[in-house]
Amino acid sequence: DAGVIQSPRHEVTEMGQEVTLRCKPISGHDYLFWYRQTMMRGLELLIYFNNNVPIDDSGMPEDRFSAKMPNASFSTLKIQPSEPRDSAVYFCASVLGVEETQYFGPGTRLLVL
Amino acid sequence: KQEVTQIPAALSVPEGENLVLNCSFTDSAIYNLQWFRQDPGKGLTSLLLIQSSQREQTSGRLNASLDKSSGRSTLYIAASQPGDSATYLCAVTGSARQLTFGSGTQLTVLP
Repeated sequence: DAGVIQSPRHEVTEMGQEVTLRCKPISGHDYLFWYRQTMMRGLELLIYFNNNVPIDDSGMPEDRFSAKMPNASFSTLKIQPSEPRDSAVYFCASVLGVEETQYFGPGTRLLVL
Repeated sequence: KQEVTQIPAALSVPEGENLVLNCSFTDSAIYNLQWFRQDPGKGLTSLLLIQSSQREQTSGRLNASLDKSSGRSTLYIAASQPGDSATYLCAVTGSARQLTFGSGTQLTVLP
């Protein structure tokens, strides 16, 4: 298996623009997580899905952030409009069953100017 | 709210030394605890997962222990090597299925 795939790997955009981050989880995994990592706040859980259904989005910072999982093999995290404080590395992870090891993608490095 | 603390924040040791990384958490109602490794500019790699009913897990030169009642875990690395240099992150899965991470220990093993 290719592991968790994220795209793009790097994104540079200007404040106010819409940003869409993509994730393909490992085939067969039924949980998908979106995290954000910054120097100031470390790794934070934004939202997670179980069988394509959002379970907990309490970590989503603002209404500017939204996430979808239209099917078991694809998820998106959208920021609209983007702001400089959204600059971070965004990770996607998937797992089969909550009590097993989470597998992380390589992350998307987002820079909002 | 679960809080995870890792001490020390940074550690530098000569090659060959045995070392211990510490992790503490405030809410003992956890499902499991994981130790991850993160290399600069890379994603996270899971090293060890300890279920809440377990006391320790071993993988090669790594040994992780868990004392759920006291809210502590340690990661022991034997005979450290320069290739072990990375940031080590501790994370707990809580009752709400939320993974909470510590801020990490940045390890440097000097050749």
